[in-house]
Amino acid sequence: LAKTTQPISMDSYEGQEVNITCSHNNIATNDYITWYQQFPSQGPRFIIQGYKTKVTNEVASLFIPADRKSSTLSLPRVSLSDTAVYYCLVVRHTNAGKSTFGDGTTLTVKP
Amino acid sequence: DAGVIQSPRHEVTEMGQEVTLRCKPISGHDYLFWYRQTMMRGLELLIYFNNNVPIDDSGMPEDRFSAKMPNASFSTLKIQPSEPRDSAVYFCASSSTGLGDGNTIYFGEGSWLTVV
Repeated sequence: LAKTTQPISMDSYEGQEVNITCSHNNIATNDYITWYQQFPSQGPRFIIQGYKTKVTNEVASLFIPADRKSSTLSLPRVSLSDTAVYYCLVVRHTNAGKSTFGDGTTLTVKP
Repeated sequence: DAGVIQSPRHEVTEMGQEVTLRCKPISGHDYLFWYRQTMMRGLELLIYFNNNVPIDDSGMPEDRFSAKMPNASFSTLKIQPSEPRDSAVYFCASSSTGLGDGNTIYFGEGSWLTVV
């Protein structure tokens, strides 16, 4: 299954847009790209999922290029409460057990 | 839906004792996962079930760990005997192949285990 690679940490300031990129060079045809957010003392929370091109919901956008070997999570106008660990996960559509979490990106938003 | 429900949320036990963690997946989901999270190793998949059948338990660290899923709405993860190195957060999660959502995995809030 596709191994994911993300930056270990990122810093940002309130009100800025944050882009976190994940590489997944060995992604397969029936794999989806999913992003999770995790706060301390909580379970990972689903943010957004996509297969190709661009997906947008009320909290984030996900950009996936044509080759699907990477993806970028975009958080518009972050606030202090967006400080968390963000995980990129490649999930096999036909078998969610075929998925592996990477180390995640610790995003710190400063005032 | 109430989401994935885990119990207990916190448990402190003595080395050598048996620990049982419980999980109720989201209704209608056909996959159930048990993950362990530690600072050193991050999120690790221990075992997962599909339609109540264990599919892959290669992540289970030792024979001291066992998991069961007697029906679609309940699963247990048991550690016997427990050791201090088992201290971690254990997450249960579930997903469905039939919802057209790319098999999104939904997590519970975790069971925080401390073995002293």
